[in-house]
Amino acid sequence: QSALTQPASVSGSPGQSITISCTGASGDVGNYNLVSWYQQHPGKAPKLLIYEVSERPSGVSNHFSGSKSGNTASLTISGLQAEDEADYYCCSYAGASTWVFGGGTKVTVL
Amino acid sequence: EVQLVDSGGGLVQLGRSLRLSCAASGFTFEDYAMHWVRQTPGKGLEWVSGISWNSHSIGYADSVKGRFTISRDNAKNSLYLQMNSLRTEDTALYYCVKGGELLLHAMDVWGQGTTVTVSS
Repeated sequence: QSALTQPASVSGSPGQSITISCTGASGDVGNYNLVSWYQQHPGKAPKLLIYEVSERPSGVSNHFSGSKSGNTASLTISGLQAEDEADYYCCSYAGASTWVFGGGTKVTVL
Repeated sequence: EVQLVDSGGGLVQLGRSLRLSCAASGFTFEDYAMHWVRQTPGKGLEWVSGISWNSHSIGYADSVKGRFTISRDNAKNSLYLQMNSLRTEDTALYYCVKGGELLLHAMDVWGQGTTVTVSS
């Protein structure tokens, strides 16, 4: 159960698009279309943004989108806004009733 | 509104035990898998354990396997985490998290967390 690999930080200007990568292995990200993404603001509980690689729960803005290729999943934030400044975590089902998170990415809006 | 209220955290000595509880409301608890996820101060999230709606499927992170036990009481709409042989590295904020109908469905709603501090 190794943690998924995310960049420690990503930054962008308002209106720009940024992409956060999440690299796993053939036993987790590569084997299941069960990657989810969470947003966490300081002092708050995480919030689900994306599930099953690219599905958005109701109420989540469509400027968040997800994709996957091989062992790497990605979260794209289009039209970056000040309120998007937060920590973002990917998570993947890893088989045998287990899950694994990424180390988290701090997004800074310049 | 879905609500998860975590409790049971506190300061505990190295090697001792602690039991966390989570009271769920606002949804049909017995229909959903549930999880515990922890977050160390200033660091990331770590999935700890998950349990299916009927307790037939249970998973643990390698870091807690053999020391922690997850359980649920559907009649009481409650989730539990029995933590034994606690280590300093178990110090974290522990979140109760609602899963999907199956254990492999995404976690969607998080409690406010309860803090566990293990002192040496």
